[in-house]
Amino acid sequence: DAKTTQPPSMDCAEGRAANLPCNHSTISGNEYVYWYRQIHSQGPQYIIHGLKNNETNEMASLIITEDRKSSTLILPHATLRDTAVYYCIVRGRAYSGAGSYQLTFGKGTKLSVIP
Amino acid sequence: KAGVTQTPRYLIKTRGQQVTLSCSPISGHRSVSWYQQTPGQGLQFLFEYFSETQRNKGNFPGRFSGRQFSNSRSEMNVSTLELGDSALYLCASSFVDSYSPLHFGNGTRLTVT
Repeated sequence: DAKTTQPPSMDCAEGRAANLPCNHSTISGNEYVYWYRQIHSQGPQYIIHGLKNNETNEMASLIITEDRKSSTLILPHATLRDTAVYYCIVRGRAYSGAGSYQLTFGKGTKLSVIP
Repeated sequence: KAGVTQTPRYLIKTRGQQVTLSCSPISGHRSVSWYQQTPGQGLQFLFEYFSETQRNKGNFPGRFSGRQFSNSRSEMNVSTLELGDSALYLCASSFVDSYSPLHFGNGTRLTVT
Protein backbone atom coordinates (compact mmCIF):
# COMPACT_ATOMS: atom_id res chain seq x y z
CA ASP A 1 0.00 0.00 0.00
CA ALA A 2 1.15 3.52 -0.72
CA LYS A 3 2.66 5.66 2.03
CA THR A 4 0.99 8.81 3.28
CA THR A 5 2.34 12.01 4.84
CA GLN A 6 0.34 14.16 7.24
CA PRO A 7 1.23 17.17 9.41
CA PRO A 8 1.73 16.05 13.02
CA SER A 9 -0.68 18.56 14.50
CA MET A 10 -3.22 21.26 13.67
CA ASP A 11 -5.46 23.63 15.56
CA CYS A 12 -8.93 24.75 14.53
CA ALA A 13 -11.34 27.21 16.14
CA GLU A 14 -14.65 25.76 17.21
CA GLY A 15 -17.31 26.33 14.58
CA ARG A 16 -14.82 26.84 11.78
CA ALA A 17 -13.99 24.36 9.04
CA ALA A 18 -11.09 22.02 9.74
CA ASN A 19 -9.08 21.14 6.64
CA LEU A 20 -6.72 18.22 7.15
CA PRO A 21 -4.24 17.55 4.32
CA CYS A 22 -2.69 14.26 3.28
CA ASN A 23 0.00 13.57 0.71
CA HIS A 24 -0.02 10.22 -1.07
CA SER A 25 2.14 10.87 -4.10
CA THR A 26 2.87 7.17 -4.77
CA ILE A 27 -0.77 6.10 -4.84
CA SER A 28 -1.59 3.61 -7.57
CA GLY A 29 -4.63 3.55 -9.80
CA ASN A 30 -6.67 1.01 -7.83
CA GLU A 31 -5.97 2.41 -4.37
CA TYR A 32 -8.60 4.25 -2.40
CA VAL A 33 -8.01 6.95 0.20
CA TYR A 34 -9.54 6.26 3.63
CA TRP A 35 -9.81 8.54 6.62
CA TYR A 36 -10.16 7.42 10.21
CA ARG A 37 -10.01 9.27 13.49
CA GLN A 38 -9.21 8.08 16.96
CA ILE A 39 -10.33 9.71 20.15
CA HIS A 40 -8.24 8.85 23.17
CA SER A 41 -8.70 5.28 24.43
CA GLN A 42 -11.21 4.38 21.74
CA GLY A 43 -10.82 2.41 18.54
CA PRO A 44 -10.30 4.20 15.21
CA GLN A 45 -13.56 5.45 13.75
CA TYR A 46 -14.14 5.27 10.01
CA ILE A 47 -14.97 8.68 8.51
CA ILE A 48 -14.98 8.53 4.72
CA HIS A 49 -13.22 7.06 1.69
CA GLY A 50 -12.90 7.80 -2.01
CA LEU A 51 -11.10 6.95 -5.25
CA LYS A 52 -10.97 10.07 -7.37
CA ASN A 53 -14.24 11.93 -7.07
CA ASN A 54 -15.01 14.18 -4.15
CA GLU A 55 -17.11 12.49 -1.51
CA THR A 56 -19.38 13.82 1.22
CA ASN A 57 -21.23 12.15 4.04
CA GLU A 58 -22.81 13.24 7.30
CA MET A 59 -19.45 13.54 9.01
CA ALA A 60 -17.11 15.11 6.48
CA SER A 61 -16.11 15.84 2.91
CA LEU A 62 -13.14 14.36 1.08
CA ILE A 63 -11.47 16.33 -1.69
CA ILE A 64 -9.00 14.39 -3.86
CA THR A 65 -6.81 16.27 -6.32
CA GLU A 66 -7.10 15.44 -10.00
CA ASP A 67 -3.69 13.74 -10.05
CA ARG A 68 -4.71 11.84 -6.87
CA LYS A 69 -1.42 12.66 -5.20
CA SER A 70 -3.03 14.42 -2.28
CA SER A 71 -6.35 14.81 -0.52
CA THR A 72 -8.03 16.98 2.10
CA LEU A 73 -10.51 15.94 4.73
CA ILE A 74 -12.92 18.73 5.59
CA LEU A 75 -14.93 18.90 8.82
CA PRO A 76 -17.31 21.74 7.94
CA HIS A 77 -18.09 23.00 11.45
CA ALA A 78 -15.58 21.65 13.95
CA THR A 79 -16.73 21.01 17.50
CA LEU A 80 -14.77 20.13 20.63
CA ARG A 81 -15.77 16.50 20.09
CA ASP A 82 -13.80 16.48 16.83
CA THR A 83 -10.55 16.75 18.79
CA ALA A 84 -8.78 13.52 17.84
CA VAL A 85 -5.92 11.99 15.85
CA TYR A 86 -6.86 11.76 12.18
CA TYR A 87 -5.33 9.06 9.98
CA CYS A 88 -5.16 9.10 6.20
CA ILE A 89 -4.60 5.64 4.68
CA VAL A 90 -4.44 4.35 1.12
CA ARG A 91 -5.45 0.80 0.38
CA GLY A 92 -6.07 -1.36 -2.62
CA ARG A 93 -8.99 -3.70 -3.09
CA ALA A 94 -8.92 -7.01 -1.29
CA TYR A 95 -10.54 -10.12 -2.62
CA SER A 96 -11.88 -13.15 -0.83
CA GLY A 97 -9.36 -15.34 -2.63
CA ALA A 98 -6.26 -13.24 -2.19
CA GLY A 99 -4.87 -10.24 -0.45
CA SER A 100 -6.12 -9.02 2.84
CA TYR A 101 -7.43 -6.01 4.65
CA GLN A 102 -4.21 -4.95 6.30
CA LEU A 103 -4.10 -1.22 6.96
CA THR A 104 -0.83 0.63 7.46
CA PHE A 105 -1.30 3.48 9.91
CA GLY A 106 1.12 6.39 10.07
CA LYS A 107 1.29 8.80 12.97
CA GLY A 108 -1.68 10.84 11.78
CA THR A 109 -2.57 14.47 12.52
CA LYS A 110 -3.55 15.48 16.02
CA LEU A 111 -6.38 17.97 15.56
CA SER A 112 -7.13 20.22 18.50
CA VAL A 113 -10.40 22.16 18.33
CA ILE A 114 -10.06 25.34 20.37
CA PRO A 115 -13.12 26.92 22.10
CA LYS B 1 -26.69 -2.27 13.66
CA ALA B 2 -24.36 -3.28 16.49
CA GLY B 3 -20.71 -2.41 16.08
CA VAL B 4 -17.62 -4.53 16.65
CA THR B 5 -17.64 -5.84 20.21
CA GLN B 6 -14.48 -6.68 22.08
CA THR B 7 -14.24 -8.31 25.48
CA PRO B 8 -12.97 -7.79 28.02
CA ARG B 9 -12.45 -4.05 27.95
CA TYR B 10 -9.60 -4.10 30.46
CA LEU B 11 -7.28 -6.88 31.55
CA ILE B 12 -4.36 -7.08 33.96
CA LYS B 13 -2.02 -10.05 33.75
CA THR B 14 1.36 -11.06 35.14
CA ARG B 15 4.47 -11.81 33.12
CA GLY B 16 4.53 -15.39 31.93
CA GLN B 17 0.78 -15.82 31.90
CA GLN B 18 -1.32 -16.18 28.79
CA VAL B 19 -4.40 -14.24 27.72
CA THR B 20 -7.30 -14.68 25.31
CA LEU B 21 -9.17 -11.73 23.83
CA SER B 22 -12.49 -11.97 22.06
CA CYS B 23 -14.02 -10.12 19.13
CA SER B 24 -17.53 -10.23 17.68
CA PRO B 25 -17.65 -8.61 14.24
CA ILE B 26 -20.47 -6.60 12.75
CA SER B 27 -23.21 -8.90 11.45
CA GLY B 28 -22.41 -9.95 7.87
CA HIS B 29 -18.72 -9.09 8.10
CA ARG B 30 -16.57 -12.15 7.43
CA SER B 31 -13.11 -10.63 7.61
CA VAL B 32 -11.64 -9.94 11.03
CA SER B 33 -8.31 -8.24 11.65
CA TRP B 34 -6.34 -7.60 14.82
CA TYR B 35 -4.07 -4.66 15.59
CA GLN B 36 -1.81 -3.74 18.48
CA GLN B 37 -1.49 -0.10 19.52
CA THR B 38 1.28 1.21 21.76
CA PRO B 39 2.48 4.78 22.33
CA GLY B 40 5.89 3.98 20.85
CA GLN B 41 4.95 1.89 17.80
CA GLY B 42 1.49 3.18 17.00
CA LEU B 43 -1.03 0.90 15.33
CA GLN B 44 0.51 -2.31 14.02
CA PHE B 45 -1.18 -5.12 12.11
CA LEU B 46 -1.19 -8.50 13.84
CA PHE B 47 -3.20 -10.81 11.56
CA GLU B 48 -6.35 -11.16 9.52
CA TYR B 49 -8.85 -13.99 9.24
CA PHE B 50 -11.44 -14.88 6.66
CA SER B 51 -13.51 -18.05 6.58
CA GLU B 52 -11.66 -19.42 9.59
CA THR B 53 -8.31 -19.09 7.77
CA GLN B 54 -5.47 -16.74 8.54
CA ARG B 55 -4.76 -14.84 5.33
CA ASN B 56 -2.06 -12.48 6.45
CA LYS B 57 0.18 -12.03 9.47
CA GLY B 58 2.19 -9.08 10.67
CA ASN B 59 5.67 -9.09 12.11
CA PHE B 60 4.95 -10.43 15.56
CA PRO B 61 6.43 -13.46 17.38
CA GLY B 62 4.69 -16.81 17.45
CA ARG B 63 3.43 -16.08 20.97
CA PHE B 64 0.69 -14.12 19.25
CA SER B 65 -1.92 -16.32 17.64
CA GLY B 66 -5.54 -16.17 16.69
CA ARG B 67 -8.44 -18.06 15.28
CA GLN B 68 -11.81 -17.45 13.72
CA PHE B 69 -14.95 -19.46 14.24
CA SER B 70 -17.62 -20.42 11.73
CA ASN B 71 -19.82 -17.53 12.90
CA SER B 72 -16.92 -15.12 12.11
CA ARG B 73 -16.24 -14.39 15.77
CA SER B 74 -12.53 -14.30 16.49
CA GLU B 75 -10.15 -14.72 19.38
CA MET B 76 -6.53 -13.83 19.77
CA ASN B 77 -4.16 -15.40 22.26
CA VAL B 78 -0.89 -14.19 23.66
CA SER B 79 1.19 -16.74 25.52
CA THR B 80 4.10 -16.19 27.91
CA LEU B 81 3.25 -12.54 28.38
CA GLU B 82 6.01 -9.95 28.49
CA LEU B 83 5.92 -6.42 29.87
CA GLY B 84 6.16 -5.09 26.31
CA ASP B 85 2.88 -6.76 25.42
CA SER B 86 1.04 -4.08 27.38
CA ALA B 87 -1.04 -2.35 24.74
CA LEU B 88 -4.47 -1.62 23.35
CA TYR B 89 -5.54 -4.57 21.19
CA LEU B 90 -8.01 -3.64 18.49
CA CYS B 91 -10.23 -5.83 16.38
CA ALA B 92 -11.69 -4.70 13.06
CA SER B 93 -14.20 -6.31 10.74
CA SER B 94 -15.18 -5.79 7.13
CA PHE B 95 -17.15 -7.12 4.20
CA VAL B 96 -15.08 -9.02 1.64
CA ASP B 97 -14.74 -8.55 -2.13
CA SER B 98 -15.03 -4.80 -1.99
CA TYR B 99 -13.45 -1.58 -0.94
CA SER B 100 -15.63 -1.54 2.14
CA PRO B 101 -13.89 0.08 5.08
CA LEU B 102 -12.77 -1.70 8.21
CA HIS B 103 -14.76 -0.95 11.33
CA PHE B 104 -12.96 -1.11 14.65
CA GLY B 105 -14.05 -2.03 18.12
CA ASN B 106 -12.96 -0.02 21.15
CA GLY B 107 -10.30 -2.53 22.03
CA THR B 108 -9.03 -4.45 25.02
CA ARG B 109 -6.54 -2.60 27.19
CA LEU B 110 -4.01 -5.21 28.37
CA THR B 111 -1.61 -4.38 31.17
CA VAL B 112 1.18 -6.83 31.97
CA THR B 113 2.84 -6.43 35.36
